[in-house]
Amino acid sequence: KAGVTQTPRYLIKTRGQQVTLSCSPISGHRSVSWYQQTPGQGLQFLFEYFSETQRNKGNFPGRFSGRQFSNSRSEMNVSTLELGDSALYLCASTLGVNTGELFFGEGSRLTVL
Amino acid sequence: EDQVTQSPEALRLQEGESSSLNCSYTVSGLRGLFWYRQDPGKGPEFLFTLYSAGEEKEKERLKATLTKKESFLHITAPKPEDSATYLCAVQPNNNAGNMLTFGGGTRLMVKP
Repeated sequence: KAGVTQTPRYLIKTRGQQVTLSCSPISGHRSVSWYQQTPGQGLQFLFEYFSETQRNKGNFPGRFSGRQFSNSRSEMNVSTLELGDSALYLCASTLGVNTGELFFGEGSRLTVL
Repeated sequence: EDQVTQSPEALRLQEGESSSLNCSYTVSGLRGLFWYRQDPGKGPEFLFTLYSAGEEKEKERLKATLTKKESFLHITAPKPEDSATYLCAVQPNNNAGNMLTFGGGTRLMVKP
């Protein structure tokens, strides 16, 4: 059974640009969550989607957005990149809401110069 | 606001030297507490879920326990392959879905 796939794995952007990250969940999983991981702040929740609807959003500015498609694949977008957006962005999927047992991908490492 | 604090930040053990990792939490109402393992360059891997005080879960050399204020991850006779960062997370029971609050992690290094 294939795991959670995130693309791209690594990317470098400059300040002011925007970026789109993609996540393909495990087959049959309908919930997709996004987390940001940095050395200083650790893992922080960005948002969760279930059946194409955003269920929850973390404490991040509106520059961070996401969506989920009918096949459960998800994308997140960060506009007007700042240096502080450099981080590992992790996608996780699970069968339904409230399970807490998340299956993470290997992440997309974003560097903003 | 939910908070999770893990200690120590880093732990060095000799192979076979048992120890415990601590996870202290405050949450308005706990639905579940989770332990994850993260290897360098990888995403976290789910280990355990604990739901109520007094509950224990075991997997190979790992045992997780839960009280009303903290959780412990006991590592018995660790091996070098147990080296990783161990993350603790809480899920509130306020219908917040899979929005977990993570602790900063404990980086475990086991030397042969």
